[in-house]
Amino acid sequence: QQQVKQSPQSLIVQKGGISIINCAYENTAFDYFPWYQQFPGKGPALLIAIRPDVSEKKEGRFTISFNKSAKQFSLHIMDSQPGDSATYFCAASIRGGYNKLIFGAGTRLAVHP
Amino acid sequence: DTEVTQTPKHLVMGMTNKKSLKCEQHMGHRAMYWYKQKAKKPPELMFVYSYEKLSINESVPSRFSPECPNSSLLNLHLHALQPEDSALYLCASSQTDRGGEQFFGPGTRLTVL
Repeated sequence: QQQVKQSPQSLIVQKGGISIINCAYENTAFDYFPWYQQFPGKGPALLIAIRPDVSEKKEGRFTISFNKSAKQFSLHIMDSQPGDSATYFCAASIRGGYNKLIFGAGTRLAVHP
Repeated sequence: DTEVTQTPKHLVMGMTNKKSLKCEQHMGHRAMYWYKQKAKKPPELMFVYSYEKLSINESVPSRFSPECPNSSLLNLHLHALQPEDSALYLCASSQTDRGGEQFFGPGTRLTVL
């Protein structure tokens, strides 16, 4: 019940294309869903996050879509660029639950020029 | 200043050595975290400190000993480590442990020989 399942494991997209990464969860107590971007040898950096009271959040080229009934959320990267090549982790946590992040397994994105 | 700093960047130690990892933040955050990340895996939570008190120990072996001397500083003391402990050790902080964005440091790459 504490798992967050992430897919695909790896993704290759052409420059200018749309990258889509999906996550699913079981625990309905989760109420905070961040996405982290990690470059090799660096720490994860928060990209965008959403709470279950909204169905979509957009920041620049990055959009989170959230489907509460399906217990799924996804990250869309529009106009993907080679600089977006990184590993992306979705995560979930419970407010008041020591802010413990449950991470998905990660998606390695490669954007080819 | 929205930065979490970690020293050293790299550390190589033998199984009989004692060493320490250091993490610092000056964002006024009252929750600090240690994570361990193996290659191609998501970060795994090790410890959570809230208001300088240990809130969570995720059943971490006693050869890892955390310490929070003040609200800005977090240490991880290492003793008698095993080669399988080689990993990227990440520190993070957040406003409180009741929810919200976690800011990660760049990590310390630890190699145990």
